[in-house]
Amino acid sequence: DVKVTQSSRYLVKRTGEKVFLECVQDMDHENMFWYRQDPGLGLRLIYFSYDVKMKEKGDIPEGYSVSREKKERFSLILESASTNQTSMYLCASSDPYEQYFGPGTRLTVT
Amino acid sequence: GENVEQHPSTLSVQEGDSAVIKCTYSDSASNYFPWYKQELGKRPQLIIDIRSNVGEKKDQRIAVTLNKTAKHFSLHITETQPEDSAVYFCAASIGGNNDMRFGAGTRLTVKP
Repeated sequence: DVKVTQSSRYLVKRTGEKVFLECVQDMDHENMFWYRQDPGLGLRLIYFSYDVKMKEKGDIPEGYSVSREKKERFSLILESASTNQTSMYLCASSDPYEQYFGPGTRLTVT
Repeated sequence: GENVEQHPSTLSVQEGDSAVIKCTYSDSASNYFPWYKQELGKRPQLIIDIRSNVGEKKDQRIAVTLNKTAKHFSLHITETQPEDSAVYFCAASIGGNNDMRFGAGTRLTVKP
């Protein structure tokens, strides 16, 4: 079974804090993704990565950055958290046939 | 880039009825169209997908149809059951699971 894990299920941070969300997959997948999920907006792609140290912007990269130093780990970074970044964040990795999602991190920025 | 629109946003049906969810996409180069089901509090999971070289695919009570000319695809669930209640997302991509764009989701409620 493919396993995608995320470092936290729930996270509360203050405005202006630097926030790290981590994602780890155990299937040696090259492709990894970060989405945010908001009611009525579905899953919106923030960043994705095709390989170690490679990253591509998705549709809503503003206010975020990513890091992929190792193949199995893909980190999402909020440089200075803002209240409009309160959301559910989903990580995924993929093989040619399917994207496998992590359990999600519900981030609240106060 | 690709833009995927999904309708309706909510759908309520009686157990045993059929449910249809429709999506349109903008990029004619898209060739892979998966559907994901997300139960309350759980992660999205792939339930069925279709590639552009076929017009229809069926898996038990679930079927997906694709009209490449009109750039729309649909999910059909027959004989709905309460456990089909979930949020369903359509998606479109060029070249498989890379660079996928999702619709806004449909919350399906099946009433017993």
